[in-house]
Amino acid sequence: EAQVTQNPRYLITVTGKKLTVTCSQNMNHEYMSWYRQDPGLGLRQIYYSMNVEVTDKGDVPEGYKVSRKEKRNFPLILESPSPNQTSLYFCASRGDRLDYGYTFGSGTRLTVV
Amino acid sequence: AQKVTQAQTEISVVEKEDVTLDCVYETRDTTYYLFWYKQPPSGELVFLIRRNSFDEQNEISGRYSWNFQKSTSSFNFTITASQVVDSAVYFCALSELYSGYALNFGKGTSLLVTP
Repeated sequence: EAQVTQNPRYLITVTGKKLTVTCSQNMNHEYMSWYRQDPGLGLRQIYYSMNVEVTDKGDVPEGYKVSRKEKRNFPLILESPSPNQTSLYFCASRGDRLDYGYTFGSGTRLTVV
Repeated sequence: AQKVTQAQTEISVVEKEDVTLDCVYETRDTTYYLFWYKQPPSGELVFLIRRNSFDEQNEISGRYSWNFQKSTSSFNFTITASQVVDSAVYFCALSELYSGYALNFGKGTSLLVTP
């Protein structure tokens, strides 16, 4: 089944403790991206990657890092999480043809205390 | 500047009523795509429809219909005979060549359908 898999689904952590949210897709998609969703603000793009070793900032990149060492994986790294990064995070991927649209992961609900 | 505007923050209707969710977008591109997603209380994003800028035909899928009008830069979504299961947050999104086809979401409309 074609899918984007995010882990974990839920995470509670403490301020300053480094964490990684994993994202993996099995569709051989070149484009992957991360979004965060906050009440009243909709979804905002954090980082995206057009291909292996090619990443770029989205609208809200501060406090986040990403890497794209393999085509299928696009982890989101929070080196020193803070409470304002408490949010619902989505990973998404798409192929070359936008006609095929985006596939989203199930989301990761992160709480930083 | 907000590229996708969903002016209705919350809508509440009674079951069986028709409801229209508005979406207005802004773009400089001639090639772009518009999307609607549904987010039920469980939190996942459910894809509903994708429309490219060259196809202004309206679309109907069961109780759902979409009205795309380039003249007014709108892509409105209507649910006919709403049901309780339609209660969700609905997002409209724009994808443009200018921004590498990143998805630019509106802030969402929360729809509550009561029995």
